Amino acid sequence: AQTVTQSQPEMSVQEAETVTLSCTYDTSESDYYLFWYKQPPSRQMILVIRQEAYKQQNATENRFSVNFQKAAKSFSLKISDSQLGDAAMYFCADGGATNKLIFGTGTLLAVQP
Amino acid sequence: SQTIHQWPATLVQPVGSPLSLECTVEGTSNPNLYWYRQAAGRGLQLLFYSVGIGQISSEVPQNLSASRPQDRQFILSSKKLLLSDSGFYLCAWSVARGRWSTDTQYFGPGTRLTVL
Repeated sequence: AQTVTQSQPEMSVQEAETVTLSCTYDTSESDYYLFWYKQPPSRQMILVIRQEAYKQQNATENRFSVNFQKAAKSFSLKISDSQLGDAAMYFCADGGATNKLIFGTGTLLAVQP
Repeated sequence: SQTIHQWPATLVQPVGSPLSLECTVEGTSNPNLYWYRQAAGRGLQLLFYSVGIGQISSEVPQNLSASRPQDRQFILSSKKLLLSDSGFYLCAWSVARGRWSTDTQYFGPGTRLTVL
C-alpha cells in the first residue's frame, strides 16, 4: 500500500531565509508522480510543484525546488527567499496509476518577519 | 482555463438531517473527479472518485454517497448526518490520462460542514 510520511509537524523560518520540508513515501508503482501542495488559511489546496518519477532532474518552480531521491524514496521541498505569504500547511502527495493521490499529514510552516 | 466550483461554502446541519454538496468543473471534458474530507488539523482522506458519468468508486465505508449525474458535476450526499461527518470537504478534478490517471489534482475552495 502507498504511504506518505511527513515527519515535521511544524517548521519555522525567518523571512528571506531558506527552509526544507521533508517527505518520504513508499510505493510499489514503477511510474508515479509526486506533488507538494500548499494549504493557506483559506484552506484551498494549491499545487506548488510536481515531479515525474521517471525524470532524474529535480523540478523547480521559481523559489520552490525539490530534492528527489528515488532510491531512498525521499521527496523534500526547498523554499528559498521565504516570504510571509509562504506561511501555510504543506502536504506531500504520491500518485500512481491508481486514480488516487495519497497525502501525508502535513507540515505547518511559519514565516517570521 | 479550467475552474472548479463548490457550494455551499459553509453549512451547519443538525444530526440526522440530509446532506447535498455540489461540485462543478468548467473548461474541461471527461475529468476525473474526487471528494476528500479533511478533519481539523489533519490530512486529506479520499472519500470517492469518479472516472466517468455514473462511475463511482468508494474508498471509505460510511454513511456518505456520491453521484455523477453529468460529466462535470459531482455530488456528495447523505441521508442522515452524524456528528462525525463534520469537517472540511474538498472536491478536485484531474485530467484523465488513461494509465497515467493520477496526474495533478486541482482543488475547489471547499465546504466547511458542521454537524450539531
